[in-house]
Amino acid sequence: GENVEQHPSTLSVQEGDSAVIKCTYSDSASNYFPWYKQELGKGPQLIIDIRSNVGEKKDQRIAVTLNKTAKHFSLHITETQPEDSAVYFCAATRQAGTALIFGKGTTLSVSS
Amino acid sequence: GAVVSQHPSRVICKSGTSVKIECRSLDFQATTMFWYRQFPKKSLMLMATSNEGSKATYEQGVEKDKFLINHASLTLSTLTVTSAHPEDSSFYICSARAPGLAEETQYFGPGTRLLVL
Repeated sequence: GENVEQHPSTLSVQEGDSAVIKCTYSDSASNYFPWYKQELGKGPQLIIDIRSNVGEKKDQRIAVTLNKTAKHFSLHITETQPEDSAVYFCAATRQAGTALIFGKGTTLSVSS
Repeated sequence: GAVVSQHPSRVICKSGTSVKIECRSLDFQATTMFWYRQFPKKSLMLMATSNEGSKATYEQGVEKDKFLINHASLTLSTLTVTSAHPEDSSFYICSARAPGLAEETQYFGPGTRLLVL
């Protein structure tokens, strides 16, 4: 089955810096890769996703890149703000309607 | 759009009692809902996949008689923790898939924190 590895487990940056979180997956058939942000005591919130037919997607300060050959995808946050502090999870799935397989999460701390 | 709610948000119960958690899709019909469990500072662990009108599919190691799932309508799935014990204390989160939108996308509820005394 699918296995998703996520690094780093913790990341501390200064406000205004960029943050990069990386994930690798094992199932070459996986074709959908979402990123979720989870604040303390709340459910995960979808922030961006990418499908296997594209290599990069951007939404304002957030971007995701996908390298299918290497089976890894990354989340890039630019101009970080304190409110970006949260736990970020990557996930992968191979087909619509099947469960997501999550990475272990990255705790991002943005200090002002 | 694509809002998922859960009720209750927090529940404290005595050991041996049963607790029901509701997951509702508020502005879309969800043919498939998923139930996850999350321990402090850990990732989400899939418990079961709930399909409307059929029996839930449980992940290996999850007791189906312990965690009863009912997906009776296109907007409601329930998880009942039967004969709860302190080790069942956890954060339970549901998600729903919205057909008609991007099929793979899952929207999560706010979670239910269960504490069993």
